[in-house]
Amino acid sequence: AQKVTQAQTEISVVEKEDVTLDCVYETRDTTYYLFWYKQPPSGELVFLIRRNSFDEQNEISGRYSWNFQKSTSSFNFTITASQVVDSAVYFCALSERTGNQFYFGTGTSLTVIP
Amino acid sequence: DGGITQSPKYLFRKEGQNVTLSCEQNLNHDAMYWYRQDPGQGLRLIYYSQIVNDFQKGDIAEGYSVSREKKESFPLTVTSAQKNPTAFYLCASLRGLNYGYTFGSGTRLTVV
Repeated sequence: AQKVTQAQTEISVVEKEDVTLDCVYETRDTTYYLFWYKQPPSGELVFLIRRNSFDEQNEISGRYSWNFQKSTSSFNFTITASQVVDSAVYFCALSERTGNQFYFGTGTSLTVIP
Repeated sequence: DGGITQSPKYLFRKEGQNVTLSCEQNLNHDAMYWYRQDPGQGLRLIYYSQIVNDFQKGDIAEGYSVSREKKESFPLTVTSAQKNPTAFYLCASLRGLNYGYTFGSGTRLTVV
């Protein structure tokens, strides 16, 4: 069975600090997809990044970076030099090959204090 | 701009009533989904539809019903059989796994 665990329920950082959001997943599939979404107070989930199980290359996009490690079943997300606008709930998600369902973690609420 | 429109944004229902949440997309996506979000529980799948006139139950389908008569529309009915319907409901569509879901802005349903 697929499962996504985000152990950090809430995180608070001071503006300009770096912060890492943890995501650990479980799946028996050899082909799967991992995602991060951001949910600002408005409620709509915004897609941030996708990784498939064959692509362990880490990625940096501006202040965001992602560390995918199959050996530890982790897909962690780092925000560098955090800003107040980064305050939101962040969800990690896993999809099997068919895409019939995404399995979401319980989310990490990030508060960036000015 | 293409996207998903959910309406209404806020909905109040009396106990024993059925209510229908609207979800419309102009992205030309085949697959559409309904998720329910409760505090501290993440998102849980209610129903999904891969093509018109076909839909499948998700993990928490009891007390809900859907239809998919048009590619653009995937309404969700919360029936009186749903014991605890107060929640935030999100509709999504999928272009492909390389792109992830596109979500609507959600409907917050409250039973009064």
